[in-house]
Amino acid sequence: QVQLVQSGAEVKKPGASVKVSCKASGYTFTSYDINWVRQATGQGLEWMGWVNANSGNTGYAQKFQGRVTMTRNTSISTAYMELSSLRSEDTAVYYCARGRDLVEHYYFGMDVWGQGSTVTVSS
Amino acid sequence: EIVLTQSPGTLSLSPGERATLSCRASQSVSSSYLAWYQQKPGQGPRLLIYGASSRATGIPDRFSGSGSGTDFTLTISRLEPEDFAVYYCQQYGSSPLFGGGTKVEIK
Repeated sequence: QVQLVQSGAEVKKPGASVKVSCKASGYTFTSYDINWVRQATGQGLEWMGWVNANSGNTGYAQKFQGRVTMTRNTSISTAYMELSSLRSEDTAVYYCARGRDLVEHYYFGMDVWGQGSTVTVSS
Repeated sequence: EIVLTQSPGTLSLSPGERATLSCRASQSVSSSYLAWYQQKPGQGPRLLIYGASSRATGIPDRFSGSGSGTDFTLTISRLEPEDFAVYYCQQYGSSPLFGGGTKVEIK
């Protein structure tokens, strides 16, 4: 079945970096964008950016520009989100989600989500 | 930058009642890029509606979306016990973002 499986929970110190992975299966990885969305405890959803799984092109929310890097490895159908200069406010659950259909050139919504990766930033 | 405002913040209803959730954009949004999600406690979001009015795979027909331009609506025709959750609208234009959410709680 179509699924995205994310890496496990991380605990980081302020100022460090974290890299979360998202492995796709059950569909052609390079046919869709992968988006990253985070959610702090008790808060709403916050879109961070996307990576075109075919070309590797990226688009980031202005808030994260300069601090986030999204990449992918097509040989293992895996996308990555690296966030640097971590601070306590970055403590959240990070989700990857399948986005734009690159073949149909259409957005059918974020229809497949990973299980979420908890990142805790604490000294 | 577009802002999505969802209202009300909380909707208190009983099972069987109709729920009407609003999502208002600060500037016009392409209907092709407007989606709705449901999220239950401890779970990730679930896609309900894309393209403002198309139901995602497996979504019951009691969920419907409508609207265009700056005003969009998610309607749940008759609330089932499993529908009590938080609902988010999302636009996926040049700078994607989510609305703040509407919590549908049991009255």
